[in-house]
Amino acid sequence: SQQGEEDPQALSIQEGENATMNCSYKTSINNLQWYRQNSGRGLVHLILIRSNEREKHSGRLRVTLDTSKKSSSLLITASRAADTASYFCATAQGAGTASKLTFGTGTRLQVTL
Amino acid sequence: DGGITQSPKYLFRKEGQNVTLSCEQNLNHDAMYWYRQDPGQGLRLIYYSQIVNDFQKGDIAEGYSVSREKKESFPLTVTSAQKNPTAFYLCASSKDDPGGRTQHFGDGTRLSIL
Repeated sequence: SQQGEEDPQALSIQEGENATMNCSYKTSINNLQWYRQNSGRGLVHLILIRSNEREKHSGRLRVTLDTSKKSSSLLITASRAADTASYFCATAQGAGTASKLTFGTGTRLQVTL
Repeated sequence: DGGITQSPKYLFRKEGQNVTLSCEQNLNHDAMYWYRQDPGQGLRLIYYSQIVNDFQKGDIAEGYSVSREKKESFPLTVTSAQKNPTAFYLCASSKDDPGGRTQHFGDGTRLSIL
């Protein structure tokens, strides 16, 4: 089963603009993670936010988490052509060795010059 | 460099044939995972293993089998019972972390039917 639903499914922006992707999930979580996937490649971890955190930053990435609404957003500022990829949220229901990830359906981001 | 190696990159299966996908990691991670990704979709968990000689079914285990005889290796066999095996298969590993486990992925094996 897929816990997360991402919105929008696809997003096209110009270089220099900001990109915002949203993720909704259904059950309580231990943490929520965002991953990037370039075409035909594996996923790369971007950022993790714990259930007791509301906002986290990493470089040009800003993630927010609202556990009351069961939703998260990923903001990429000043986008570059190299940011073109699919972005997935993943939720962890357990902690430690019990932790598995459940992935959303992804947002395809296209950044044009 | 530490990482996860999946092989082969492309694999073709004939009717009635079992095929095995290789996944090797040198990150010294205890847990390993297999996912299936269909076009335009997210990842679905097939099997996972938290320690050597132990593994659990994920959400879509039917038609697949795994083994975990060594910490570094977690091969996936797609059996003839899996009637729709065409997909992109991703292997991942993770280590215990008080802050939360994150997963490291290989570059996948694309399986097609001949």
